[in-house]
This record gives sequence, structure tokens and C-alpha cells, in this order.
Amino acid sequence: EAGVTQSPTHLIKTRGQQATLRCSPISGHTSVYWYQQALGLGLQFLLWYDEGEERNRGNFPPRFSGRQFPNYSSELNVNALELEDSALYLCASSQERGGRGYTFGSGTRLTVV
Amino acid sequence: KNQVEQSPQSLIILEGKNCTLQCNYTVSPFSNLRWYKQDTGRGPVSLTIMTFSENTKSNGRYTATLDADTKQSSLHITASQLSDSASYICVVSEGSSNTGKLIFGQGTTLQVKP
Repeated sequence: EAGVTQSPTHLIKTRGQQATLRCSPISGHTSVYWYQQALGLGLQFLLWYDEGEERNRGNFPPRFSGRQFPNYSSELNVNALELEDSALYLCASSQERGGRGYTFGSGTRLTVV
Repeated sequence: KNQVEQSPQSLIILEGKNCTLQCNYTVSPFSNLRWYKQDTGRGPVSLTIMTFSENTKSNGRYTATLDADTKQSSLHITASQLSDSASYICVVSEGSSNTGKLIFGQGTTLQVKP
């Protein structure tokens, strides 16, 4: 069974540009979660999507947004990139609200220069 | 405020030795507590998950304990190997509402030396 897949693995953008990160959940999982992990820091909750709708978001500015598609895959968009947005962005999926089967992907390393 | 605190922040041990990592939390109510292993630049991988009614769970050389009364958990690693070098993260799931949000500790960075 394929795990949570994220693309691209690495992404380099210039300050002010937009970045789009993608996540495909495990088959049968309907919830997708996004986290930001800056170098040397813990995971910070960004967004939670379930059944195509945004259910909750963390303490991040509106330029962090996303969506979930009918096949439950998800995109995270970061507009007007700032240097401090450089981080590992992790996606996780689960079978249901509450997180049964909660599994992480390998992440996308975003570097803003 | 719901928090998860881990100690020590970092730890260096010799290969073959045992070690114990600590996790204290203030999350209430909570539904489960998880330990993850995260290799550098990779996503976290689940080691154990315990509900509030469980007080120990093993996964190979990893044994997690939970004391829901004192809100403490520990992860014990037996006969450490070089491949155990990683960050170990304690995560608590809020229990009462469907927030979809897990509370993460900052992690303990373990380095196993030959």
C-alpha cells in the first residue's frame, strides 16, 4: 500500500513568489493535515482538510492557504513568500476525524532565497 | 494552554546503551499519546500510540509508558543502535472535539555514537 506522497521533494523560490505543494493521502483516508517544521523547531499545525472542506487552521497568516480535491489529495499554497517560510512542510492523512491511521509523508523542503 | 514538553532537548549515548526520553503534557482532555521517530529531513514515523487507559506499549526495542494521572510519558530505548539516531517526538491528541489538531512536543534529538 502506498503511503502519503508529497511533491515536489525540494522547492526553491524567490522572495515574493508563490509556492504550491501537493499531497496525496493513503487510499481510503479522507483527512489531510499540513504542518510546517522550520529548521531545528517542532511541527506547527497549519491546516486540516476533511471531505473537501477546511476544518481548522493554525496560527498562520492568510497567505497560507490550500484546498482538498474530490479524490482527497490536497494542495498547500503559500503566497508572497518570505525568507522565514523556508521550512520542511509535512503532510499527514488519516481515515477519519480524530486521526485513526495518522501517517506522515516525507515532506517538501521549501527554500526561499 | 495545551502543551507538550519533552526532555532532555538532546542526548548522546554510546551504541548498545539504554536511554529514556521524557514527555510531560497539559493537554486535557486527551484521547491518545503517540511517540514518533523523525530522521533528519524526513517525515515522522509512528512508534507507539496509547490511549489514556493504556500504561505501556512496546514496539521492538522501543517501550512507551503512560501515567495519565501525572500526565507523563516516557520512551525507553533498549540496546541502542546507530540507526536510532533521530529526533523523537511526543504527540498528544486533543480528545473532546474534532479539531483535527495534534499537540507536538519540540522533540528530543538522540545521537548514538559507536
